[in-house]
Amino acid sequence: EVQLVESGGGLVQPGGSLRLSCAPSGFTFSSFAMIWVRQAPVKGLEWVSYIDYTASNMWYADSVKGRFTISRDNAKNSLYLQMNSLRAEDTAVYYCARQYCINGVCRFDYWGQGTLVTVSS
Amino acid sequence: DMQMTQSPSSLSASVGDRVTVTCRASQSISSYLNWYQQKPGKAPKLLIYGASSLQSGVPSRFSGSGSGTDFTLTISSLQPEDFATYYCQQSYSTPWTFGQGTKVEIK
Repeated sequence: EVQLVESGGGLVQPGGSLRLSCAPSGFTFSSFAMIWVRQAPVKGLEWVSYIDYTASNMWYADSVKGRFTISRDNAKNSLYLQMNSLRAEDTAVYYCARQYCINGVCRFDYWGQGTLVTVSS
Repeated sequence: DMQMTQSPSSLSASVGDRVTVTCRASQSISSYLNWYQQKPGKAPKLLIYGASSLQSGVPSRFSGSGSGTDFTLTISSLQPEDFATYYCQQSYSTPWTFGQGTKVEIK
């Protein structure tokens, strides 16, 4: 059974840093690209970042570019999101998800339960 | 960025009703469109990918159609467990973007 479990969320002051982790199981992690998506309170979904299966390519939403860094350790079966210079508008539930592509058609087919990040003084 | 606009933002329906949710892209995305269901306090769940392909394990009452800029998600006979918020998402180009969501409520 595919599972993704996020951790590392919490309360942080504006300007602070936080590192989220995602622990996958039930599939060959090193064969799949992964993403982070966030959802602000009572808001919709926003894609945040992407990393391919070899960590050769990483992409970011403009809203987090230069502040967030996505990484992965395939040997440790772990995905990370380092968040620096946090702002109040970064407050959200952060989800990791697996990207599955066949013949160029891609989708986010498995999601974690999410971890809440609150940026407040 | 590609804008995804869903309509309606919310709807009320009864068990057994046929429900249709529409998603419009700001430019053509061919069939690179996915649909997700989200229940309160839960992660999104993939329902439809590639505009019309049913994800494994999803009931056949869910269907998707469309291409280019206009897409629809149809629930043929609404069940109690289908009351949720539905999001479309384009996978045509980054940044990947979602619609604002359609909340399906009990009438």
